[in-house]
Amino acid sequence: DGGITQSPKYLFRKEGQNVTLSCEQNLNHDAMYWYRQDPGQGLRLIYYSQIVNDFQKGDIAEGYSVSREKKESFPLTVTSAQKNPTAFYLCASRTSGTYNEQFFGPGTRLTVL
Amino acid sequence: ILNVEQSPQSLHVQEGDSTNFTCSFPSSNFYALHWYRWETAKSPEALFVMTLNGDEKKKGRISATLNTKEGYSYLYIKGSQPEDSATYLCPLRGCQGAQKLVFGQGTRLTINP
Repeated sequence: DGGITQSPKYLFRKEGQNVTLSCEQNLNHDAMYWYRQDPGQGLRLIYYSQIVNDFQKGDIAEGYSVSREKKESFPLTVTSAQKNPTAFYLCASRTSGTYNEQFFGPGTRLTVL
Repeated sequence: ILNVEQSPQSLHVQEGDSTNFTCSFPSSNFYALHWYRWETAKSPEALFVMTLNGDEKKKGRISATLNTKEGYSYLYIKGSQPEDSATYLCPLRGCQGAQKLVFGQGTRLTINP
C-alpha cells in the first residue's frame, strides 16, 4: 500500500533532550512537509523540502532541524532550543503538479515532560 | 500575511440534517483552495481542489462551491451521517509558485445520532 508513515504515534521526552520524528513515504513524491498543530490553531508549517538534499524553513522553523538525504525520508529533529515542543506533528508529501494535493501521515504526538 | 478563516469553529448537527460551513480567504491572493476531511486518529483526507471562480465540486453527499471574487468557499453536507464527524480543513495556495498551503483553524463537525 502506498502512503506516508510516521513513527512513533506517541513520544515522550524529558526537557532538554533532542528528539527525532520519523516520516517515510513510498508515493515517489518529490516534496515533503512538516506541520505542527496546537490546540485551537491551524496547522503551521515548520520545514519543507522540494527535492532531495534541499529544504526551506517554514513559518515556525526555530528550534527544529531537518534533513532530506533520501527521497522517501524527511526526519524532523526537535531540539532543546524549541521553547514549547509539546504538540502534534504531521508530515505530508506532494507530487509535482500545479494543483496536486498534499497527502498526510497519521501524525506523532510529542509530549515533553 | 495570508490568513484563512473557517467558521464556525465547532458545529453539532443531528443525524439526517444537512449542514454547511464557510472558508474565507483574501480574494487578492488566490490560486487554489483545497478541502480536507480529518477524522480523529486518521490522516487528513483530500476532498476537493477548487481553482476557478464559480467552481462546484461534488463527492457523494458532500459538495463545495467557490467564490474567488469575494473570497469564500462553502462546504455542504447533505443528510449528515455519523461518519461525517470530522474536522474539515480548507488550506489555501496563494499563488502559482507557492509550495506552501495556508491553513485555518478548521471546522469541527459532530453528528449526533
